[in-house]
Parts: sequence; C-alpha cells; structure tokens
Amino acid sequence: QVQLQESGPGLVKPSETLSLTCTVSGGSVSTDRYWWSWIRQPPGRELEWIGYIYYSGSTNYNPSLKSRVTISLDMSKNQFSLRLSSVTAADTAVYYCARSHGSPPPRLFDYWGQGTLVTVSS
Amino acid sequence: QSALTQPASVSGSPGQSITISCTGTSSDVGGYNYVSWYQQHPGKAPKLMIYDVSSRTSGVSNNFSGSKSGNTASLTISGLQAEDEADYYCSSYTSSSTLCVFGTGTKVTV
Repeated sequence: QVQLQESGPGLVKPSETLSLTCTVSGGSVSTDRYWWSWIRQPPGRELEWIGYIYYSGSTNYNPSLKSRVTISLDMSKNQFSLRLSSVTAADTAVYYCARSHGSPPPRLFDYWGQGTLVTVSS
Repeated sequence: QSALTQPASVSGSPGQSITISCTGTSSDVGGYNYVSWYQQHPGKAPKLMIYDVSSRTSGVSNNFSGSKSGNTASLTISGLQAEDEADYYCSSYTSSSTLCVFGTGTKVTV
C-alpha cells in the first residue's frame, strides 16, 4: 500500500521560504507511471494544485505560483520536495503531497499524504 | 482560472439520494472526460471516489456514481448513510496553463 507523508516546519515567517518534504513508502518515485504533486488548502477554502514533478525531473507549476515555486525529487531517499519563496499570510494552508497517474497529468490524485498545516506569521 | 462551481451545501435523510453538481467551462469539464470527485472528512486528506467522470475507485461503494452533461458534472450518492457526511470536491483537467482546477466544495449533511 502506497503511503505519503509530509514533513517540515509548521511556522514560517513572512518573506521567508516554505520548505516541505514528502516521503513515499510502498512505491517508488522513480517509476515512469506516476507524477508527484503538491496541493494546498487554505483554511475553509477549496483545494489548489501547486505543481508536479515527474521521475525524469520535468516539472509543471500552477501559473499563479510559478515564479515562487520549486519542486524537486530525491530518488535516493524516495522523496520529493516543495519550496515556496517570499511567503505571505495568504500562503497559510494545509499542504498535501499526492500521487497522480494517467495522461494527461495531473488527471487524478489517487494517494494523498495526511497534510501538514503551515502558518505564515511573524 | 476560476474554481469550478459547486453548491455550498446539500442535505438528505438516511437512505435518500442526493446529487452534487460541478459546473465549469468548455475548457475543463465540458472539454475532457477527466473529472474526479474527492470525499474529505474533517481534518482528513481527500479521498478519490470517482475518476474519469464515472469510474469508481476500487473499494468505493456503488452507492456513488458520476456523470456529465455539457459543462456540468454530477456526483450522485444513493442510499445516503451517516458516514457519507463530508465535504466533496470535484476536479477537472483544464486546457489552460493551470492544468488542474478544483471545485468550490460541497458540504453534505445527512
């Protein structure tokens, strides 16, 4: 059974960089069958797709966040990571990592992490 | 890219059927058969229930069904049960550079 687990600081200061890691177990991030995404959900609001990375290292980002987002892959640790720079209070949200498969990506998200709340505050 | 439009809340009695709508445009819902539905209980991660408009994920009750007409997709829950009380989100692939758009979410009360 595939499991995803987010980790990282729960509190980030304004203008700093948010960094989260997703550890995948029960499956490999280095397979060509899946894309690995980050999705966030501000308190009381809808879900927002942030971006994905493929095993080849190719990425695709939501244009609304593209200038501030980097998603990377660490195959040796079976992890992928999110960096979001210059954060503001508007970036306060529960951040989820998720797996998607099927083309075109991200067509569906079949496995999700439990989510981690990141608060942006001084 | 705007979020897909869903009713804020839908309610029903145990055993009844309810339908949640998800309205988009010809660039997303209407243009592709790549609509998914997710169930989210409070404090939990979303769970994929329906994908590609009407395919049920393994293990999901056949009380859940999906359909689409034009720019509007629908999720129907028949034989409503207490454990179906949750938030439901639709999602669609989109031809815009956003690639993926979620719905505004619907709170189902049983």
